[in-house]
Amino acid sequence: AQKVTQAQTEISVVEKEDVTLDCVYETRDTTYYLFWYKQPPSGELVFLIRRNSFDEQNEISGRYSWNFQKSTSSFNFTITASQVVDSAVYFCALSDGSSNTGKLIFGQGTTLQVKP
Amino acid sequence: SAVISQKPSRDICQRGTSLTIQCQVDSQVTMMFWYRQQPGQSLTLIATANQGSEATYESGFVIDKFPISRPNLTFSTLTVSNMSPEDSSIYLCSVDQRQGARDTEAFFGQGTRLTVV
Repeated sequence: AQKVTQAQTEISVVEKEDVTLDCVYETRDTTYYLFWYKQPPSGELVFLIRRNSFDEQNEISGRYSWNFQKSTSSFNFTITASQVVDSAVYFCALSDGSSNTGKLIFGQGTTLQVKP
Repeated sequence: SAVISQKPSRDICQRGTSLTIQCQVDSQVTMMFWYRQQPGQSLTLIATANQGSEATYESGFVIDKFPISRPNLTFSTLTVSNMSPEDSSIYLCSVDQRQGARDTEAFFGQGTRLTVV
């Protein structure tokens, strides 16, 4: 069965600190997709990144970076020089890449609080 | 990227009543998905809305409680029937969109925040 684990329920940092959000997944599929979403207090889900199982290259987008390691089934997310606006709930998600790719399994989410 | 409009954005409803949530996409998509997010919880898939056939429900969700329509490739509705306070949640519509042969995006509407009193 597919499963996503975000072991960190809540993280609190001070502005400008770096913070890493952990995500560990389980799947028997060889083709799959991993996602990160941000959910601010307003409730909408903001897409951050998608990674397919064929591509283990790490990615950097501004202050955001992602470390995908198939050997440890992890897809961790790092925010560099955090800002108050980064405060939100962050979800990691997994989908079956063979068919219903929109059918996502979500982790429990990590609430990030960035204090000024 | 797909743009998804979801209505209403929020509502407060009396127990025992029903609410229909609409999801409109700006492009044709094969699959549309409905998720529920209970307060302080993660997202759980309710069902997959298939065009031209009945929706496919996940374990724990039934058609009588959450009837779904999918009249065409750009629109779907989810009804929350005979509501109770336990149905208070954010309901989100989602679509996936292929990006080439080996890639995909999963887009979400802005959600409907439902409170049942």
